Amino acid sequence: GDSVTQMEGPVTLSEEAFLTINCTYTATGYPSLFWYVQYPGEGLQLLLKATKADDKGSNKGFEATYRKETTSFHLEKGSVQVSDSAVYFCALRDASGNQFYFGTGTSLTVIP
Amino acid sequence: DTAVSQTPKYLVTQMGNDKSIKCEQNLGHDTMYWYKQDSKKFLKIMFSYNNKELIINETVPNRFSPKSPDKAHLNLHINSLELGDSAVYFCASSHEGLGDYGYTFGSGTRLTVV
Repeated sequence: GDSVTQMEGPVTLSEEAFLTINCTYTATGYPSLFWYVQYPGEGLQLLLKATKADDKGSNKGFEATYRKETTSFHLEKGSVQVSDSAVYFCALRDASGNQFYFGTGTSLTVIP
Repeated sequence: DTAVSQTPKYLVTQMGNDKSIKCEQNLGHDTMYWYKQDSKKFLKIMFSYNNKELIINETVPNRFSPKSPDKAHLNLHINSLELGDSAVYFCASSHEGLGDYGYTFGSGTRLTVV
C-alpha cells in the first residue's frame, strides 16, 4: 500500500542555517503530497502542498518539489528562525483521494 | 470563525471513567476524522465518517465510539478509560475523494488518565 517515510529527528539547527527534511513516498498512480507543521501545544497546520509531478509548493520561506522520478518531497528552507521550531509531518493523499498517510514527524529546534 | 473546533482542550480524568470529546467543523466538508497522537508525535487514524457512515476503523478498541449527529459534528466517546488512553486526540475534516485537498485539523484535546 501507499506510505510515507521521513527522516527521523530530532533536528537542531542554529538560526539562519539551511534546513532540509527528507521525505520519500511509495504510491500507485499520482498522489498529492503535503507538508504539515505542528507548533508546540497546537494542532497540525497545512504548510504547503503539491498535486502533480514537478510542482513546487511554497509558503513562509519553505519549499518542496514533487519529484516523481525519485519519489521524494523534501522540505527546504534557506534560513531558519527560532519561530520555525516545530514538528513537521510529510503526508500523502492517494490518487483516489480517499486515503491519507502521514509520516512519523520530524522535530526541529532552532537555537539563537 | 474557527474552522475545526474541538472541546475540551484539556481533559484529566480517572481510570474507569467515561468521557466525550466534541468536534465541529464549519467548512462544509463531507468527511471528518479522529486521530490519536502519542508521546512520540506519531499520528494514528482512529475513525472517519462520511455522510454519517463509518468508513475507517483502524483496530481501535471498542471502548472508543464515534458519534456523528450531522455531517458538521463528530464526537468521540470513550468508555472505561485506561492509562494507555492518555494522548492528544485530534479531529480533522476534508472533502472526500478530492485529492488536491489536505485535511484541516482542530487544535487537539490532551487527555490525561490518572
